[in-house]
Amino acid sequence: AQSVSQHNHHVILSEAASLELGCNYSYGGTVNLFWYVQYPGQHLQLLLKYFSGDPLVKGIKGFEAEFIKSKFSFNLRKPSVQWSDTAEYFCAVKNTDKLIFGTGTRLQVFP
Amino acid sequence: GAGVSQSPSNKVTEKGKDVELRCDPISGHTALYWYRQSLGQGLEFLIYFQGNSAPDKSGLPSDRFSAERTGGSVSTLTIQRTQQEDSAVYLCASSRLAGGFDTGELFFGEGSRLTVL
Repeated sequence: AQSVSQHNHHVILSEAASLELGCNYSYGGTVNLFWYVQYPGQHLQLLLKYFSGDPLVKGIKGFEAEFIKSKFSFNLRKPSVQWSDTAEYFCAVKNTDKLIFGTGTRLQVFP
Repeated sequence: GAGVSQSPSNKVTEKGKDVELRCDPISGHTALYWYRQSLGQGLEFLIYFQGNSAPDKSGLPSDRFSAERTGGSVSTLTIQRTQQEDSAVYLCASSRLAGGFDTGELFFGEGSRLTVL
């Protein structure tokens, strides 16, 4: 069965630190990959997505993610985090139909 | 409407009662998803609709859970004989087709927080 793993459950960083959140999936076929973000008190929203083409995709607010097919990974990165990046981040994978989410990573950024 | 609308936003019920949660997706979005979000559990897939049909019901936790969608629009998620472990935030999301293909880009509602006493 298709599954998504996010190994970092809780990440604490200081402002300006670099960020990398891991995401691995189990499905071996063609997939579409997503990162969603949930800011405190807000609903989930799309951060970035990969369908095809350049495996390095850029999203909003300076985030980027790299699809590495051989590693079944789609890690999220940001060179320098801000306090406003404090949120919960969810990786998601879609093959032919449903969208499956990982368990999420809670990011706390301190000034 | 402008976004995905869910009601009620909060529901407190007693164990054993039935509850019905409603989702009104973005106009024109053919795909509709229900997820359950519990503390530490992430987003648990429940059911997915494409139009009025549900190709995948595999995520429904038990036969106490059911969902329907009529007119390709509004969906209701019904939980019968609620249990305390059903307490969670129930999220609805919709997405559109592009070139006959579900984009997978979900637009989420604010959720319905269910508390079973």
